[in-house]
Amino acid sequence: NAGVTQTPKFQVLKTGQSMTLQCAQDMNHNSMYWYRQDPGMGLRLIYYSASEGTTDKGEVPNGYNVSRLNKREFSLRLESAAPSQTSVYFCASSARQGKRETQYFGPGTRLLVL
Amino acid sequence: AQSVTQLGSHVSVSEGALVLLRCNYSSSVPPYLFWYVQYPNQGLQLLLKYTSAATLVKGINGFEAEFKKSETSFHLTKPSAHMSDAAEYFCAVSEGNYGGSQGNLIFGKGTKLSVKP
Repeated sequence: NAGVTQTPKFQVLKTGQSMTLQCAQDMNHNSMYWYRQDPGMGLRLIYYSASEGTTDKGEVPNGYNVSRLNKREFSLRLESAAPSQTSVYFCASSARQGKRETQYFGPGTRLLVL
Repeated sequence: AQSVTQLGSHVSVSEGALVLLRCNYSSSVPPYLFWYVQYPNQGLQLLLKYTSAATLVKGINGFEAEFKKSETSFHLTKPSAHMSDAAEYFCAVSEGNYGGSQGNLIFGKGTKLSVKP
């Protein structure tokens, strides 16, 4: 049982390049989330998926797109990377959205946009 | 709208001393509250959570937190700090509704705990 896995661990991009961050969970959770973490800002929600087939914007969705490929996988895409997107990205999952549900986090992807 | 305020972005204690990390929240409905810990270069790990069953919540690694509605607080404490407690700690709130954005977690900005030998 690996929990939440993320790939890649590190990535360096040039401004304007695109990339997809991958996330998978093996806990049979319905809900999945993408956050970004910046120094002094805590974690901010980019997008979430309450269940397979649905996605919704979080607090900071601009510049990102997501795909809930199936129940296990939730990817985050940067179509045209900008230096402001330099951050650490965390994926999380929970059995269902809200209520008492604990969110379980992946190890993160460190992204540097030059 | 719900929000979380963590007082003090950095807290430094001596090994063996009391750890107190402060968290205040605002919520229009009874909240669910969480403390997460993040060790260097790792993801977030749940320490404990409050879901209205008991106001004093015990978590892993000797940490506990007390929900005080009158003070809208959920401070994290540990009687005796250990070097291995050095990490960043995040308080988070959820209004707990199923579906819609209200069910999501809102995080504080984090408190970095240093433990001196």
